[in-house]
Amino acid sequence: AQSVTQPDIHITVSEGASLELRCNYSYGATPYLFWYVQSPGQGLQLLLKYFSGDTLVQGIKGFEAEFKRSQSSFNLRKPSVHWSDAAEYFCAVGAWGNKLVFGAGTILRVKS
Amino acid sequence: EAGVTQFPSHSVIEKGQTVTLRCDPISGHDNLYWYRRVMGKEIKFLLHFVKESKQDESGMPNNRFLAERTGGTYSTLKVQPAELEDSGVYFCASSQRTPPDTQYFGPGTRLTVL
Repeated sequence: AQSVTQPDIHITVSEGASLELRCNYSYGATPYLFWYVQSPGQGLQLLLKYFSGDTLVQGIKGFEAEFKRSQSSFNLRKPSVHWSDAAEYFCAVGAWGNKLVFGAGTILRVKS
Repeated sequence: EAGVTQFPSHSVIEKGQTVTLRCDPISGHDNLYWYRRVMGKEIKFLLHFVKESKQDESGMPNNRFLAERTGGTYSTLKVQPAELEDSGVYFCASSQRTPPDTQYFGPGTRLTVL
């Protein structure tokens, strides 16, 4: 069965510092992968996705993620975090029929 | 282009009552999904419509949950009778093409069963 692991439940970083959120997946076929973000009081917003091709994908708000098949990982990165990035981040893998399997989420806190 | 909308944004009901949640997908999106996040847990898939047909309802927890999508436009998710463990946030998403495709999510409906 498909699964996604986000090992960090909470992460705190200083404003301006770099960020990396970890995501590992388990899926028998070629995965397609997503990162979504949920800001307080908002719905899920797509940050970026990987379907095929270049393994380094760029997203909105200055985020990027790298697909590493050998490590079954799809980590999200940002070189300099802004206070407005404080939110909950979800990694997801597209499973059969296009239903998404989500990780538990990582709550990002940004300290000034 | 309007996004996915959900109504209501919040609902508080007593155990045993009935609640109906509504989702309006992005216009032209044939695929509609329902997900649920129970407090402290992962977001879990409930079911998938392609137009008005249920493609996959493997995530529906039990027969107290009934989803419909008449005419292939908006969808409703009815919980009858509601139980305490049904509390959570119910998300709807839609996508245009056959898989793989990006799913666009609505803001969710927060359901509290007392």
